[in-house]
Order: sequence, then C-alpha cells, then structure tokens
Amino acid sequence: EPEVTQTPSHQVTQMGQEVILRCVPISNHLYFYWYRQILGQKVEFLVSFYNNEISEKSEIFDDQFSVERPDGSNFTLKIRSTKLEDSAMYFCASSERVAGNNEQFFGPGTRLTVL
Amino acid sequence: DAKTTQPTSMDCAEGRAANLPCNHSTISGNEYVYWYRQIHSQGPQYIIHGLKNNETNEMASLIITEDRKSSTLILPHATLRDTAVYYCIVRVSRGAQKLVFGQGTRLTINP
Repeated sequence: EPEVTQTPSHQVTQMGQEVILRCVPISNHLYFYWYRQILGQKVEFLVSFYNNEISEKSEIFDDQFSVERPDGSNFTLKIRSTKLEDSAMYFCASSERVAGNNEQFFGPGTRLTVL
Repeated sequence: DAKTTQPTSMDCAEGRAANLPCNHSTISGNEYVYWYRQIHSQGPQYIIHGLKNNETNEMASLIITEDRKSSTLILPHATLRDTAVYYCIVRVSRGAQKLVFGQGTRLTINP
C-alpha cells in the first residue's frame, strides 16, 4: 500500500540554525500539507500546497517557514532560524484532490528538537 | 468549519464494540463528518467519513443522526491496537483543505 514517507525521523538542532524536513508524498497525489504537534498538544495545520504554490497557510506559518517541491517527488519544509518553541513533531500529508470527500494520508512524522 | 465536542477519554474491553460519540450541533448542509485517529505519536490515520447516510468500511462504522447534529464511530470488535486518540472533524466538502484537529477522545482498550 502506498504511503507518505518523511526524513529524518528525528532532527536535533541548535537554536538559530536552519533545518529542512523532507517528505515524499504518495506518487499520484496532488495536494500536500504540513502539520505540527507540540508535545501534549493538538495537531495544528501549517500550510497546504498545490500546483507549486501555497494554497493556504496558518498564522503559525510566518516568514521563518517556507515550503518547496524541488522535484517531482519531494516536498520540503524549511525553518530558517529555529527557535526553542519550534520543537515539535512535524507531519507531512498528501491527498488526491481537495474538493469533495478526499482523505489525507499522513507520514510518520519528524521529531524536531531545538536546543 | 463547525465545532465538535467529544468526551476526553473512554475505556472499552478488548473484543467489545467501542462507541465513540461526537456532537456537531452547528454542522451545515455541505459539511462532512470525518474521523481520524492517532496511535501514540504516529501520524493521524483516516478512518471513515460521511455526509448524512451511515457508512461502514473495513475499520469502522459511522452512524450519523437524522438531524446530523451528532454522530457515533463504532469499532465493532476493539483490539489493543485500537488504543489511540480519536478525532471527529467536520469540514466543508469543497474549498477548505486543512483538517482542524481538536483534543479528541483518548480511547483505551483494556485486556
């Protein structure tokens, strides 16, 4: 069964450093998403992406964040200058279509620890 | 998207049916009811969705009341692996892309 994959599974970085989280969505999916979950808190939407541009972003997704689909398979989330409060699980998701009753498939997540 | 209300936690014995309720009294006509679950710290997993008819798949059944103001997710024969946080999410059928997760119901299946 096709699945969303994410690398690395765990990333440790120093405050102020840049990190890139990588995702490989399911191959025939067209819509891509990033969510995050701070330990003990709710899963929060960050951004959605379609046709090589951002469709929607949350208030969390400020100028320190960016997304890119550099080739036909990868979807990346870059955090430019990490802060302690960026420590969280980051989940990538993809779906076939956005309209109607689509389901989103989530990856296993990347645990980001900012020291 | 309409707000949903779920119990914070529930317990169920292994092998029994787990019935998870969700209230969504402000649901509008074009909003679907979706259920996802999150096992430990894994990525959320889609379970089932419906608009107004009851639905069943290999994982679960979804019962939606006639007035659509509430629904129940049924896991017919719960196993220990069904221990997870279950999220009821109401979202429009087109236009909106994001999933808005609440706190969900923490379901514990006991041996």
